[in-house]
Amino acid sequence: DVKVTQSSRYLVKRTGEKVFLECVQDMDHENMFWYRQDPGLGLRLIYFSYDVKMKEKGDIPEGYSVSREKKERFSLILESASTNQTSMYLCASSSGLAGGDNEQFFGPGTRLTVL
Amino acid sequence: QKEVEQDPGPLSVPEGAIVSLNCTYSNSAFQYFMWYRQYSRKGPELLMYTYSSGNKEDGRFTAQVDKSSKYISLFIRDSQPSDSATYLCAMKGGWTGGFKTIFGAGTRLFVKA
Repeated sequence: DVKVTQSSRYLVKRTGEKVFLECVQDMDHENMFWYRQDPGLGLRLIYFSYDVKMKEKGDIPEGYSVSREKKERFSLILESASTNQTSMYLCASSSGLAGGDNEQFFGPGTRLTVL
Repeated sequence: QKEVEQDPGPLSVPEGAIVSLNCTYSNSAFQYFMWYRQYSRKGPELLMYTYSSGNKEDGRFTAQVDKSSKYISLFIRDSQPSDSATYLCAMKGGWTGGFKTIFGAGTRLFVKA
């Protein structure tokens, strides 16, 4: 059974803080993704990775960075948190070379509030 | 214009009703069409997946794709309170159409007992 876990369910941070969101998957998937989910806007892709140490920008990468040092772990970093980064953050993983997948497995999400 | 349009609802129906959820899209390169279900405080999970045009049935759920109209639908028969969730359509191209999955905004469905 595929499992994607995220380090925190709820997080409250102050403006300007550096924030780390961790995601771990246990199915040896090649592909990992970070999305944010906002009402009326749906899921928007922040960054994705097709392999270790590899990353690609999604639709809204500004203000974020990522790290993938190990295949099972994909971290999202908010360099200097701002209030407009208050959102639900979802991590996902999938198998398939170069994104040739059709099912993404999602973690439970981290609800981040930036004050 | 968004690549994928989906009415956010909410949609409220009585138990036993037939539910119709829909999405329209603009990119003719999309070939893979998915429906994800997301319960409150959980991540989305894949419900149905179809390739190209046509219908696919799985129990009470039927996914329909009309590529000529750029329109996809999910039908739920004999709806149950446990079907109350947000339903997100998703789609992507193939080897020539790009690998990125595009999600709709999601439709919130409430099924009343």
